[in-house]
Amino acid sequence: GAVVSQHPSWVICKSGTSVKIECRSLDFQATTMFWYRQFPKQSLMLMATSNEGSKATYEQGVEKDKFLINHASLTLSTLTVTSAHPEDSSFYICSARGRLAGADTQYFGPGTRLTVL
Amino acid sequence: RKEVEQDPGPFNVPEGATVAFNCTYSNSASQSFFWYRQDCRKEPKLLMSVYSSGNEDGRFTAQLNRASQYISLLIRDSKLSDSATYLCVVEGSSNTGKLIFGQGTTLQVKP
Repeated sequence: GAVVSQHPSWVICKSGTSVKIECRSLDFQATTMFWYRQFPKQSLMLMATSNEGSKATYEQGVEKDKFLINHASLTLSTLTVTSAHPEDSSFYICSARGRLAGADTQYFGPGTRLTVL
Repeated sequence: RKEVEQDPGPFNVPEGATVAFNCTYSNSASQSFFWYRQDCRKEPKLLMSVYSSGNEDGRFTAQLNRASQYISLLIRDSKLSDSATYLCVVEGSSNTGKLIFGQGTTLQVKP
């Protein structure tokens, strides 16, 4: 079946550094990719919607200059957390949406656990 | 008011029990509804879509009441492997793919 991968699966970094997370759709072309964030014991919160070849649309309260999203191809979107701080420590999950067997289907990546020291 | 509300639980039930989860949503224009399952430190996985007519998949039954903006999930004959967090999910706008997640309800099935 369709698979979405994320890399890295976990990362620990020092405060002030930037971290890039990749999201790839492996079996299909993703017209849209979504980036979510999940803090402990909380639900997934949508951060931004990314369409291939266009600028991402950010949800209210999400700083676009801090969370840079690039969706350069139909199979790859990247999220860069710039100048990360401890409060950015979270579980970042992407999902990819594409057309499979005539239906729009969405699959989640396995997530990236970010810890900022 | 949260867009999707769930009782966070936890629900602690013995094996074989029947357990029901409820969820309410605020946007009456929502068109698509789902239950996802999330295991600890993993990504959410689609359990089932929810339709007004109700749908069943083995031990799982989902129901949607549009008038009350209420979604339910019933799990019969609970197994230890059903222990997880169950997320009520609503598609924010028609066919955009933007999913709004509830807080999740934690289920612990005990032997």
